[in-house]
Amino acid sequence: QVQLQESGPGLVQPSQTLSLTCTVSGGSINSSSYYWGWIRQPPGKGLEWVGSIFYGGTTYLNPSLKSRVSMSADPSKNQFSLKLTSVTAADTAVYYCGIPRGSGSYSGWFDPWGQGIRVTVSS
Amino acid sequence: DIVMTQSPDSLAVSLGERATFNCKSSQSVLYSSNNKNYLAWYQQKPGQPPHLLIYWASTRESGVPDRFSGGGSGTDFTLTISSLQAEDVAVYYCQQYYSTPTFGQGTRLEIK
Repeated sequence: QVQLQESGPGLVQPSQTLSLTCTVSGGSINSSSYYWGWIRQPPGKGLEWVGSIFYGGTTYLNPSLKSRVSMSADPSKNQFSLKLTSVTAADTAVYYCGIPRGSGSYSGWFDPWGQGIRVTVSS
Repeated sequence: DIVMTQSPDSLAVSLGERATFNCKSSQSVLYSSNNKNYLAWYQQKPGQPPHLLIYWASTRESGVPDRFSGGGSGTDFTLTISSLQAEDVAVYYCQQYYSTPTFGQGTRLEIK
């Protein structure tokens, strides 16, 4: 069974770049069976899809974040990563990695999810 | 983007009673070529990631108790807990995956 674990700094300064990694176990990030996704949840608020990446490197990004988001995959480490530039307090959230399933595309129901990593944007 | 609107924002139900959550999409999430509704439901408890309950609007995920059921089609959907248990206290979210994924704002379930 595939498991996901997020890692990265818990504190990022305003205007800097947020960088997070999701490590995959129990499955290969090079598998054509899966897309890999990021979802975030601001404190006390709902869920927002950030983007998804396919094993070949094709990315699908939330239009509202597209100008600031990039995603990549590192098959040698079985990891995929998220970078969000020019962060503000509005980017403070728990960031989850997850696998979109069912529709055979970047968009599906998400399962499983990582445990999440809390990122605070503050000086 | 498809906007998902859940109602009510919060719900208080007695143990053993039925709890019903509503979710409305701003456009249909029924894909005509396969007659499937691209709609999922999640349960989220404090400090935990969301847990998948239902997909294709009515298919229960493996291991989810059968007191949870999903229904609806097109733009209007429901999640029902037939007999509320104490461990069901959580926030419940719907999500569409017909296009770019979007989630509802959530409904908080409490014990009356």
